[in-house]
Amino acid sequence: AQSVTQLGSHVSVSEGALVLLRCNYSSSVPPYLFWYVQYPNQGLQLLLKYTSAATLVKGINGFEAEFKKSETSFHLTKPSAHMSDAAEYFCAVSEGDTGFQKLVFGTGTRLLVSP
Amino acid sequence: EAEVAQSPRYKITEKSQAVAFWCDPISGHATLYWYRQILGQGPELLVQFQDESVVDDSQLPKDRFSAERLKGVDSTLKIQPAELGDSAMYLCASSHGPSGRALSTDTQYFGPGTRLTVL
Repeated sequence: AQSVTQLGSHVSVSEGALVLLRCNYSSSVPPYLFWYVQYPNQGLQLLLKYTSAATLVKGINGFEAEFKKSETSFHLTKPSAHMSDAAEYFCAVSEGDTGFQKLVFGTGTRLLVSP
Repeated sequence: EAEVAQSPRYKITEKSQAVAFWCDPISGHATLYWYRQILGQGPELLVQFQDESVVDDSQLPKDRFSAERLKGVDSTLKIQPAELGDSAMYLCASSHGPSGRALSTDTQYFGPGTRLTVL
């Protein structure tokens, strides 16, 4: 079964600093990978997804992620953090085309942004 | 912009009581998902519908949980009886694959969730 591991349950950065949230996946087939963001008491919103086209994927709000097969990673980055980026971030992997999609989520990383 | 609607947003109940959650997906989305998110964890799929049919309920505790999507549009998730361990956020999501078939590359759109507290 496919799985993702998110290193660090909490990441703290200063406003304007680089954001790096780590995600490693385990998959026996080429994976499809997703990053979602969740603000307090809200549902999840898609930031970006990797679907085997370009390995560098650009998403909303200035975020991007790079698929590295050799490292089985899909880390999320943003050059300059903003206060509004404070939220919970989830990496997810989609199991193969079996006629339906099943997302398997990591445990999440809470991003804290200080002034 | 179309959104997934869920109600109620918050529900407090006592153990052994019955509770029900409602979800209205984005219009035209054939695939509907129910997730449970325990505090501090990622969402876990409970059940997935393609139109009115269940395609995956392998993680649904069928002794107490039930889900239906009778007309292939909105859906209801029920718990009876509720237990203390059911306290969680219940999220609904929908997606639209080409020709109504769900693909692994689909984007799932999530509703705001229902936060359940069982006392």
